[in-house]
Amino acid sequence: EDKVVQSPLSLVVHEGDTVTLNCSYEVTNFRSLLWYKQEKKAPTFLFMLTSSGIEKKSGRLSSILDKKELFSILNITATQTGDSAVYLCALYNNNDMRFGAGTRLTVKP
Amino acid sequence: KAGVTQTPRYLIKTRGQQVTLSCSPISGHRSVSWYQQTPGQGLQFLFEYFSETQRNKGNFPGRFSGRQFSNSRSEMNVSTLELGDSALYLCASTLGGGLETQYFGPGTRLLVL
Repeated sequence: EDKVVQSPLSLVVHEGDTVTLNCSYEVTNFRSLLWYKQEKKAPTFLFMLTSSGIEKKSGRLSSILDKKELFSILNITATQTGDSAVYLCALYNNNDMRFGAGTRLTVKP
Repeated sequence: KAGVTQTPRYLIKTRGQQVTLSCSPISGHRSVSWYQQTPGQGLQFLFEYFSETQRNKGNFPGRFSGRQFSNSRSEMNVSTLELGDSALYLCASTLGGGLETQYFGPGTRLLVL
């Protein structure tokens, strides 16, 4: 069965720290890998990755996909308390969207 | 533009009952997807509707069904509720080309007693 595994499951850091969240997968075929941020209820879109080795950046957040080693990472630099959330990774293959369990990030002042 | 709206926001039911949840997509969006989120199983895809037709379906029993109306609004129905159906039910809408650009609603929190 296709699997999406995120690590760590939870992480506590202090403001200003840099964090790296991991998403590894055992999916035979997919169209895109997506990252979402979920604070209270509705997940909000962060990145869509389709090609290996091309970094996507948005402010302090960046992400990259490695199709050879079957993983993606989400980096957050200079973390702020507003970055506290659950970060979800998902694989989309046209028919199904499969999510990882998420990483709960807590940023302390 | 108004976002995705879901009603009701909270719901309490008892085992054996049925429930209907509603989702109104962003104006102009023709695809609506439904997801179930629980602490144990995480976020799981239920199904997607596009132009009133179910286009994709996740791995859920037949007690979970849905439909979409001509104005793209969608309803999800769960019959013969079980305790394990307690969850946050999220819907998301997109123009229709694919789910990558979907926008999620705030969810309906269902508690089955």
